[in-house]
Amino acid sequence: SYELTQPPSVSVSPGQTASITCSGDELGDRYPCWYQQKPGQSPVLLIYQDTKRPSGIPARFSASNSGNTATLTISGTQAMDEADYYCQAWDSSTDWVFGGGTKLTVL
Amino acid sequence: EVQLVESGGGLIQPGGSLRLSCAASGFTVSSNYMTWVRQPPGKGLEWVSVIYSGGSTYYADSVRGRFTISRDNSKNTLYLQMNSLRAEDTAVYYCARVRFYDGKSLDPWGQGTLVTVSS
Repeated sequence: SYELTQPPSVSVSPGQTASITCSGDELGDRYPCWYQQKPGQSPVLLIYQDTKRPSGIPARFSASNSGNTATLTISGTQAMDEADYYCQAWDSSTDWVFGGGTKLTVL
Repeated sequence: EVQLVESGGGLIQPGGSLRLSCAASGFTVSSNYMTWVRQPPGKGLEWVSVIYSGGSTYYADSVRGRFTISRDNSKNTLYLQMNSLRAEDTAVYYCARVRFYDGKSLDPWGQGTLVTVSS
């Protein structure tokens, strides 16, 4: 079955750039998405099809994807960005696959 | 406004059954792929089931044979019938619309409904 791997936690100082990685076999060919989930809330779509942002998502959220690794980048990180972040890809055998999630702490 | 509202969660004994509902507004359920995703307390997201616009249904191995996804077009509502519930099914259950042409991303998500399986 297909699997996605994320670091459990990432820390960043306010105003700095945070990077969260997501690794999976040939992920570069799978158009991964990224979701943000704040405590007690539902996940929100941040990025789809590798790099695209839905309307209403701030431009400080961006992403890249190549080879076996996708990366979510948060520029000028704010305290409100503290949340759990999940990558997700679709696989023909296991359908929707999520990474284990990364807890972003803004110190 | 595109919105999903789940209901039907609660405390249920092992072996019991429960039906979750997901009422949609702002779009037509039957014209979209719709999915259920669950999240055990303090853990990550797990895909559960999908129903295609054409009616085909698919399930995660962990629930296949016990859960059934369906929809009522007249009510614009998605359902998840859960039978033979186990402690490991305890989770917040979310419904979400599949953005088929956007990398099969999920958006929007409902607010979630908590299912607790315990004696």
